[in-house]
Amino acid sequence: LAKTTQPISMDSYEGQEVNITCSHNNIATNDYITWYQQFPSQGPRFIIQGYKTKVTNEVASLFIPADRKSSTLSLPRVSLSDTAVYYCLVGDIIKAAGNKLTFGGGTRVLVKP
Amino acid sequence: DSGVTQTPKHLITATGQRVTLRCSPRSGDLSVYWYQQSLDQGLQFLIQYYNGEERAKGNILERFSAQQFPDLHSELNLSSLELGDSALYFCASSSQRELISEQFFGPGTRLTVL
Repeated sequence: LAKTTQPISMDSYEGQEVNITCSHNNIATNDYITWYQQFPSQGPRFIIQGYKTKVTNEVASLFIPADRKSSTLSLPRVSLSDTAVYYCLVGDIIKAAGNKLTFGGGTRVLVKP
Repeated sequence: DSGVTQTPKHLITATGQRVTLRCSPRSGDLSVYWYQQSLDQGLQFLIQYYNGEERAKGNILERFSAQQFPDLHSELNLSSLELGDSALYFCASSSQRELISEQFFGPGTRLTVL
């Protein structure tokens, strides 16, 4: 799987938009980009997945530039409950068994009142 | 509630012992994934099963093994336990075969090795 690099932590305030950028310079043609959210002592929760351009769902948007070497998760109007660790994953959605998968360190987002 | 259940919630045991963690996937999901999360290693993928067969292997130690049964529940067996095996163990399930897919995580089993 492609190696990913994310900021270790970010602070924000309620009502603001939070953008977390993930770098994946060696992304392969068949790789998809997936983001998960994790609260303390809970399992991660799927947020969004995309391949190129922009993907939007009810909780977030994912922006992927044309070269796909990075991606940005955008959380609109965050609330205190969005305080969590956010993980970026990049990997082949089609490839057969044998892949190694790691969530890496993630980005710890702290939303302040 | 993700629909994935894991038992037990907590497990305390001694070094050298063997334990079994159990996972029941969401109804209809054929894929089960196991992860280990420790403070110094982050969230590490261990192994994936799809419809009873091993599909992908990650950083799983030889002392660890897993299987998926015909009813699709899965068990992770940890043997010759060491202090460093203390961690949260998560199970996830998915309707898809692929490693990169929307996975639904269970609440985890916290293992403490004394």
